[in-house]
Amino acid sequence: SQTIHQWPATLVQPVGSPLSLECTVEGTSNPNLYWYRQAAGRGLQLLFYSVGIGQISSEVPQNLSASRPQDRQFILSSKKLLLSDSGFYLCAGTRGIRGSANTEAFFGQGTRLTVV
Amino acid sequence: AQTVTQSQPEMSVQEAETVTLSCTYDTSENNYYLFWYKQPPSRQMILVIRQEAYKQQNATENRFSVNFQKAAKSFSLKISDSQLGDTAMYFCAFMKLYRDDKIIFGKGTRLHILP
Repeated sequence: SQTIHQWPATLVQPVGSPLSLECTVEGTSNPNLYWYRQAAGRGLQLLFYSVGIGQISSEVPQNLSASRPQDRQFILSSKKLLLSDSGFYLCAGTRGIRGSANTEAFFGQGTRLTVV
Repeated sequence: AQTVTQSQPEMSVQEAETVTLSCTYDTSENNYYLFWYKQPPSRQMILVIRQEAYKQQNATENRFSVNFQKAAKSFSLKISDSQLGDTAMYFCAFMKLYRDDKIIFGKGTRLHILP
């Protein structure tokens, strides 16, 4: 089965510091990968998604960026964090083969980021 | 562009009752997937149920079932014999059948099961 490893689980960073969140995928190849942000008690905001190595689509213009250096690795970064970057960040993936009866999205455990 | 709307931000029901969560979506696609995901306080996303749009039969998973109305673009979730462990945020989600697209989530419905 597919698994996403996402770390760290919790992070407290000062304003203006850099950020790097990483997720890696096991159990499937060529997945679509996604970064979502969830404010407290609210919905999922799609930040970036990737259909392959080096291919990144940005949904929300902001000071965050994403990279996909390997098929199963997806990284969320920032050069300088803002207070508004605080939130819960989820990495998600979908099976590479669409049309399968078992298609679904699978998620990492999430990272709770607090910018202080 | 696809959109997913969950019109009920929050709901409360008594344990053992049946509850229905609403979801509508907008798309010009004919083939796609619809999902309901549960997010308990742990924040781990858990797949509750999946529906393929090309299947007319409504999906069922134990106490969870959907009412999929393709023409109306409606996808509601029914939870029967609700349990305290069903307390969570529930997200409706849409995904095209083909690989080069994103998953679209609704804003969620916070469900409280009361003892």
